[in-house]
Amino acid sequence: DIQMTQFPTSVSASVGDRVTITCRASQRIGSWVAWYQQKPGKAPDLLIYAASTLAGGVPSRFSGSGSGTDFSLTISGLQPEDFATYYCQQAGSLPLTFGQGTKVE
Amino acid sequence: QVQLQESGPGLVKPAETLSVICTISGGSVSSGTYYWNWIRQAPGKSLEWIGYISYNGNTNYNPSLKSRVATSVYTADNQFSLRLSSVTAADTAVYYCARSGDGGRSFDYWGQGTLVLVSS
Repeated sequence: DIQMTQFPTSVSASVGDRVTITCRASQRIGSWVAWYQQKPGKAPDLLIYAASTLAGGVPSRFSGSGSGTDFSLTISGLQPEDFATYYCQQAGSLPLTFGQGTKVE
Repeated sequence: QVQLQESGPGLVKPAETLSVICTISGGSVSSGTYYWNWIRQAPGKSLEWIGYISYNGNTNYNPSLKSRVATSVYTADNQFSLRLSSVTAADTAVYYCARSGDGGRSFDYWGQGTLVLVSS
């Protein structure tokens, strides 16, 4: 299985801050990474797929980059509704696997 | 707008079989474009992909669970299901159903999740 190492595990930030979350894959996976936002008691929401493509309805302050083994999610100008846990997910090979999550607080 | 809704037992005894149904509205399980997935999240933990089924019954499961997992599609009811046998406390989790397009690579619609507790 491909392991996704996500860091940091938590980040303390303020409204307006720029926040970057990183995922490193244990094998090269091209651009097959997705990012999700999860709020307590809710299902995850898709933010980005194929490493850098914004999902429908997602604000442009979210962006993704990377290829190969290193990927990042950036929130430019943190908003109050962005305090949540974020997960990366690789789709380079089955089984699909997720990172351990980053809590933005 | 596609909506997914899980329904499950809430409580399952150890060694028994867990069954969860996902009902789709605003879309069709028979669409050849999508895969229908099961994902779970143990309390306080990350997400674990269980597997998917396509409209024609093709499946792919996580090897860690493959020997205990079965999924089915019910086109008449626009539903798909998950069965997980021989459950233990380690199977306690919120179970989500989710749709994936783009070749099954990311999950664009999710159900709200159903908590299944494995306990005697």
